[in-house]
Amino acid sequence: QKEVEQNSGPLSVPEGAIASLNCTYSDRGSQSFFWYRQYSGKSPELIMFIYSNGDKEDGRFTAQLNKASQYVSLLIRDSQPSDSATYLCAVFLDAGNNRKLIWGLGTSLAVNP
Amino acid sequence: GAVVSQHPSWVICKSGTSVKIECRSLDFQATTMFWYRQFPKQSLMLMATSNEGSKATYEQGVEKDKFLINHASLTLSTLTVTSAHPEDSSFYICSVSRRGGRIYNEQFFGPGTRLTVL
Repeated sequence: QKEVEQNSGPLSVPEGAIASLNCTYSDRGSQSFFWYRQYSGKSPELIMFIYSNGDKEDGRFTAQLNKASQYVSLLIRDSQPSDSATYLCAVFLDAGNNRKLIWGLGTSLAVNP
Repeated sequence: GAVVSQHPSWVICKSGTSVKIECRSLDFQATTMFWYRQFPKQSLMLMATSNEGSKATYEQGVEKDKFLINHASLTLSTLTVTSAHPEDSSFYICSVSRRGGRIYNEQFFGPGTRLTVL
């Protein structure tokens, strides 16, 4: 069973701080990794994607991938109250005819003004 | 980003009736469409994967006779919840992946359909 694990939280940070969200995965052959944000009652939206080891920065967001340790993280700098949401880690599974995203349970983030 | 629509956005029905949910890819041809279900405060649960012109692939534990999926074209997939019961009440979300997308394996999500079965 391929798994993606996240700390469910809630993670609470003050406004302006750095929020660090972590995710581990079990399939060592995974190649594509995604972070989605989901507001309550809404569908997920893509925040970041990463394919290669190392860091990838996009505005206030940085995704970090370490394939040897099988973890992927998301850093949010200068956190804003509008960042309060659930962050879902997803790993792409490519096994022949079975190609799909494997989802973590999500980490709830609360940014306090 | 891609535009994916779902209809209806919410529906309330009586137990025993069937409900059809449409998912449309508005601005590109979707290679594959996915149907998810999400219960309150839980993560996404993939129900089935649908490719145009072929039968849907259902995840383990999902009843294919209860959740009928039709992927009639590259821009439209439908999910029919047959003989719905209160335990089927959930948030149903479709997503699509596109041919030649900028981000390999990215999925674009529809806004979701909230189903309430009385």
